[in-house]
Amino acid sequence: NAGVTQTPKFQVLKTGQSMTLQCAQDMNHEYMSWYRQDPGMGLRLIHYSVGAGITDQGEVPNGYNVSRSTTEDFPLRLLSAAPSQTSVYFCASSYSMKSEQFFGPGTRLTVL
Amino acid sequence: SQKIEQNSEALNIQEGKTATLTCNYTNYSPAYLQWYRQDPGRGPVFLLLIRENEKEKRKERLKVTFDTTLKQSLFHITASQPADSATYLCALERQGGKLIFGQGTELSVKP
Repeated sequence: NAGVTQTPKFQVLKTGQSMTLQCAQDMNHEYMSWYRQDPGMGLRLIHYSVGAGITDQGEVPNGYNVSRSTTEDFPLRLLSAAPSQTSVYFCASSYSMKSEQFFGPGTRLTVL
Repeated sequence: SQKIEQNSEALNIQEGKTATLTCNYTNYSPAYLQWYRQDPGRGPVFLLLIRENEKEKRKERLKVTFDTTLKQSLFHITASQPADSATYLCALERQGGKLIFGQGTELSVKP
């Protein structure tokens, strides 16, 4: 089992560029989520999904899009990158919304 | 809105002592609370989950308490080791079932 995988590990973007952060899990988990982690702020939920075809917004969704076409994959799209989106992004999966979360290794994104 | 607070200052203790980390919350009564460990440059790793009807939960050298009257959870590591040095995050379930995370407390165990 690879668990939760994320690509890329590092990314530098210019303001206005778009990109997709990839997330995949091989544990057949229904629930997947994206968080961003900033110094002193803790983990903040961006978007989440309770199953294929179902997504919803978290507490900081602006500037991000998600889709869930399969159980395994949950990509996060930055539509037009801004310096405020410089952060470390974590994808997580779990059996249900209320059970232990399995986190990926993270993507460190810098927007210039 | 729900708020969760952890000690922002790093906790420095001597090897062999018990480390105690605090997690306080306001404006909500969660049905459960979780604790995670995070090492630098890595994703959080789940440690323990405690439900509102459980006062205490143990796993090896780890112990978590959950006081719904005080709105507080305490996380203890007994016989601490340098390998326990990490940042520890608490997370509580809020309305709708989603998790809200605290900012974490950095623990440093000196030999």
